[in-house]
Amino acid sequence: GQSLEQPSEVTAVEGAIVQINCTYQTSGFYGLSWYQQHDGGAPTFLSYNGLDGLEETGRFSSFLSRSDSYGYLLLQELQMKDSASYFCAPRGRGQGGKLIFGQGTELSVKP
Amino acid sequence: SAVISQKPSRDICQRGTSLTIQCQVDSQVTMMFWYRQQPGQSLTLIATANQGSEATYESGFVIDKFPISRPNLTFSTLTVSNMSPEDSSIYLCSVEMGNTEAFFGQGTRLTVV
Repeated sequence: GQSLEQPSEVTAVEGAIVQINCTYQTSGFYGLSWYQQHDGGAPTFLSYNGLDGLEETGRFSSFLSRSDSYGYLLLQELQMKDSASYFCAPRGRGQGGKLIFGQGTELSVKP
Repeated sequence: SAVISQKPSRDICQRGTSLTIQCQVDSQVTMMFWYRQQPGQSLTLIATANQGSEATYESGFVIDKFPISRPNLTFSTLTVSNMSPEDSSIYLCSVEMGNTEAFFGQGTRLTVV
């Protein structure tokens, strides 16, 4: 089976740093993806962790610990445009591009 | 990367009718995926569409309600049949490139009245 947990809402101010956690239970776990979705838009890919550790892409970083079945997305130097929903999506081995999304974290960035 | 054209972008339909959503990709892909996103909710995978074989449906979704076609490696359709207001959702198609990144169409916002 599979379960996913991430916070439903996070609020932060411009310029701050925010961390969105994701815990998962996925049979045949292969890696963890993160997607951003603005209201009314399509999800867009942010990051993927296939190995333990930190992946950095500009202001966004993502971390994975397989032993803890845990990952997080770190957003630095927050901007108003970062207000969106963020989804973690574990990948199962042999599942190809099939994604099972968490419930999403709605990030609100305040001035 | 991949560019996905999905249409219609939105529609308002009468209950009991059917709507077919089209998804066109700018490159050949083995699998295409169809998701549903109900208002305020996350994305739920409906089915995986493979060219040359029947689609594989996730638990809770059946072919009679959501028939899928995949006539070639760049195109797929999803039909929402015998619609009811509970089918009001955003429907998205998706493909994966590079084994890690999924690309999504802009979605079809369906309202059933």
